[in-house]
Amino acid sequence: AQSVSQHNHHVILSEAASLELGCNYSYGGTVNLFWYVQYPGQHLQLLLKYFSGDPLVKGIKGFEAEFIKSKFSFNLRKPSVQWSDTAEYFCAVNANTGFQKLVFGTGTRLLVSP
Amino acid sequence: GAGVSQTPSNKVTEKGKYVELRCDPISGHTALYWYRQSLGQGPEFLIYFQGTGAADDSGLPNDRFFAVRPEGSVSTLKIQRTERGDSAVYLCASSLGTSGNNEQFFGPGTRLTVL
Repeated sequence: AQSVSQHNHHVILSEAASLELGCNYSYGGTVNLFWYVQYPGQHLQLLLKYFSGDPLVKGIKGFEAEFIKSKFSFNLRKPSVQWSDTAEYFCAVNANTGFQKLVFGTGTRLLVSP
Repeated sequence: GAGVSQTPSNKVTEKGKYVELRCDPISGHTALYWYRQSLGQGPEFLIYFQGTGAADDSGLPNDRFFAVRPEGSVSTLKIQRTERGDSAVYLCASSLGTSGNNEQFFGPGTRLTVL
């Protein structure tokens, strides 16, 4: 069975600080990896995804993530956060074979202070 | 275009009652998913439809939970004899196709509170 671990449950940063949110997954096969974001009062939306190819993927709003297969990791990064990045961030995985349900981590709440 | 919509946005019910939660997927999306998100947790998969049929219902917690999608578009999640532990946000998502790399688009959710 697949599982996802997000190491940080709450992160507080000042504007312009750099961000890195950890995500590790457990699955023996080929996977698709996702980061979803939920802004206050809004629904989940896709931030970025990795299916294959370049392990460094770029998403919306300046976010990027790097897939490191040997570490089973898919950490999310942003060089300089803004107050508007305050949100909850979820890492998710599914197997790359036909339909597979998304398995989510428990989420990381990010608060960016102005 | 319109995204995934869910009604009601909030539902408060008493223990033992029956509830129905509705999901309208994005037009043209053949795949529809239900997830449940409890407080402090990430969404957990419940059931997936491809067209009208439930292709995978392995996430339904017990036989009090049932979902239908009779015409391959709107879906209804039905919960019988609700329990306080059913309180959660129920999320619906849809996607164009069924392979793992199809993006799932989420609705705003229905917050269910069982008193």
